[in-house]
Amino acid sequence: ETGVTQSPTHLIKTRGQQVTLRCSSQSGHNTVSWYQQALGQGPQFIFQYYREEENGRGNFPPRFSGLQFPNYSSELNVNALELDDSALYLCASSPAGRAYNYGYTFGSGTRLTVV
Amino acid sequence: QQQVKQSPQSLIVQKGGISIINCAYENTAFDYFPWYQQFPGKGPALLIAIRPDVSEKKEGRFTISFNKSAKQFSLHIMDSQPGDSATYFCAASMASGNQFYFGTGTSLTVIP
Repeated sequence: ETGVTQSPTHLIKTRGQQVTLRCSSQSGHNTVSWYQQALGQGPQFIFQYYREEENGRGNFPPRFSGLQFPNYSSELNVNALELDDSALYLCASSPAGRAYNYGYTFGSGTRLTVV
Repeated sequence: QQQVKQSPQSLIVQKGGISIINCAYENTAFDYFPWYQQFPGKGPALLIAIRPDVSEKKEGRFTISFNKSAKQFSLHIMDSQPGDSATYFCAASMASGNQFYFGTGTSLTVIP
């Protein structure tokens, strides 16, 4: 059973640029959630995807967008990057529409640095 | 507004000692409380979780104590080992929601 895989592991972008982060969910998991973890902080919910549709969103602006594909993999896109977007971006999958009953399986994250 | 408040921010414990991390919440709609363990360069990993219908849950050396009336819960690591050195996050969620609210984390160092 494979876990959650994220790519790339590290990324450096310039302010104003756009970035796409990718995530492959754990086998059998059809729900993907994205979290932003700033240095020294807990993860903050960005949004969740279930059946290829956004299924809830945290307090993040529209320049954070996502996709989920039929194989349950997902992308996180961030436009017009700002310095404060520098963080570890975590993808988490769960086996049902909600992680409520099962918790998450997290990937190792993508470390994004905006300069 | 931080939905889940966690303390202490950092903790140093001798090998064999007990590590205790505390969390508090305000939203009474929360009804699932997991703890996650995160090593440097890795994503958080689910350690143990509890629902408010029980006051304690134990898995190996890890125990969650839950006080519903006080809206507090804590993680106890018995016989702490250097390999337990990591950052620990408490979290909370509710059946009607689709996200987890995480605490700010506790950096645990277990010294030999």
